[in-house]
Amino acid sequence: QVQLQESGPGLVKPSETLSLTCTVSGGSISSYHWSWIRQPPGKGLEWIGYIYYNGSTNYNPSLKSRVTISVDTSKNQFSLKLSSVTAADTAVYYCARVPPPPVGFDPWGQGTLVTVSS
Amino acid sequence: DIQMTQSPSSLSASVGDRVTITCRASQSISSYLNWYQQKPGKAPKLLIFAASRLRSGLPSRFSGSGSGMDFTLTISSLQPEDFATYYCQQTHSIPPYTFGPGTKLEIK
Repeated sequence: QVQLQESGPGLVKPSETLSLTCTVSGGSISSYHWSWIRQPPGKGLEWIGYIYYNGSTNYNPSLKSRVTISVDTSKNQFSLKLSSVTAADTAVYYCARVPPPPVGFDPWGQGTLVTVSS
Repeated sequence: DIQMTQSPSSLSASVGDRVTITCRASQSISSYLNWYQQKPGKAPKLLIFAASRLRSGLPSRFSGSGSGMDFTLTISSLQPEDFATYYCQQTHSIPPYTFGPGTKLEIK
């Protein structure tokens, strides 16, 4: 079955760019939408955005000015870049597959904690 | 943006109890409502999609209902492994997809 795995630095300095990659295994990335979601410690879930395999994207307006999601179909990966980070961006970042609605996000990666600190 | 609210925010119950969690959208979302279960330190897992459709392989004690603005998740007979936080999510209107604030289900 499809599995997702996030990877990237666990510590990012304030004002720098957070970069994460999600590797998809057990299936092709060339279908469905693929999403990033984050969860600050002890808080709820926030949808960041998604990308389709052809590169089309949709972002949360609250983060749109700082977010870029890209896809590399040759590696079966998609990536997140979040610029000008602050401590408020400290969170567990998840990637997930997004089938067409009305189906929910499934499956999810295990998540990776990114801490913004100098 | 469509805002999602959940009640209660936390709930104490015993094994074997019947539990209901409610979710309300700020505007009609038809049946574009999903429920997730999250255990500490783990990623959320999809339980229910399209308001009432149980994800394959999950026990039938989980059920969902509702349409429009009001939805419920019911666990018919709580099992020890059901103690977790539950989130609703709308996938009707984007951007953005929005989640409810969560309901923490604890052991009484």
